[in-house]
Amino acid sequence: GEDVEQSLFLSVREGDSSVINCTYTDSSSTYLYWYKQEPGAGLQLLTYIFSNMDMKQDQRLTVLLNKKDKHLSLRIADTQTGDSAIYFCAEVLSSGNTPLVFGKGTRLSVIA
Amino acid sequence: DTGVSQDPRHKITKRGQNVTFRCDPISEHNRLYWYRQTLGQGPEFLTYFQNEAQLEKSRLLSDRFSAERPKGSFSTLEIQRTEQGDSAMYLCASSLRGGGHNEQFFGPGTRLTVL
Repeated sequence: GEDVEQSLFLSVREGDSSVINCTYTDSSSTYLYWYKQEPGAGLQLLTYIFSNMDMKQDQRLTVLLNKKDKHLSLRIADTQTGDSAIYFCAEVLSSGNTPLVFGKGTRLSVIA
Repeated sequence: DTGVSQDPRHKITKRGQNVTFRCDPISEHNRLYWYRQTLGQGPEFLTYFQNEAQLEKSRLLSDRFSAERPKGSFSTLEIQRTEQGDSAMYLCASSLRGGGHNEQFFGPGTRLTVL
């Protein structure tokens, strides 16, 4: 079945690293995504990882995938106040063009 | 092209009224998706189209919900006889169909409030 779980809140100090975790249940997921949603704004794709990879790095962002445990994480290095937002983990089943299944989102608060 | 657009951005209606929302995807995108997001939740898939064909509609929340994409370009989502539980943000996204990863680009959403 489809189910994506995330912790709801995370608070970090500016300059520290943030780690947002996600677990999913469907082993047939092909792509896993991290989206960012700021107040009053649409969803913005931050990064994604293909299921046959275990790590992907993109500037300040590092995605780790543990397919055995169905665990995905997003690490934001040197977190800034502008990173304060809700972060959604999402999966896509089978092909890369089927609808996304989202978690409930993790609200990241960055304290200056 | 400036991205996915949705109209209206906000809609307030009385219970029992019908509402229709419009989504204009990125022009070359042939896939179009509708999602609903309620407070404190992630977006929940409703339906999607490839060109004018509706590929999945079993996730529409009830038979009061319907969607069309008559010419394979813009799409409309209609809710008939609205209920207070329909209050939510309705999001549209579009993508190119193809093998592998194809990013879904989201519009700003239409916020519906049913009084």
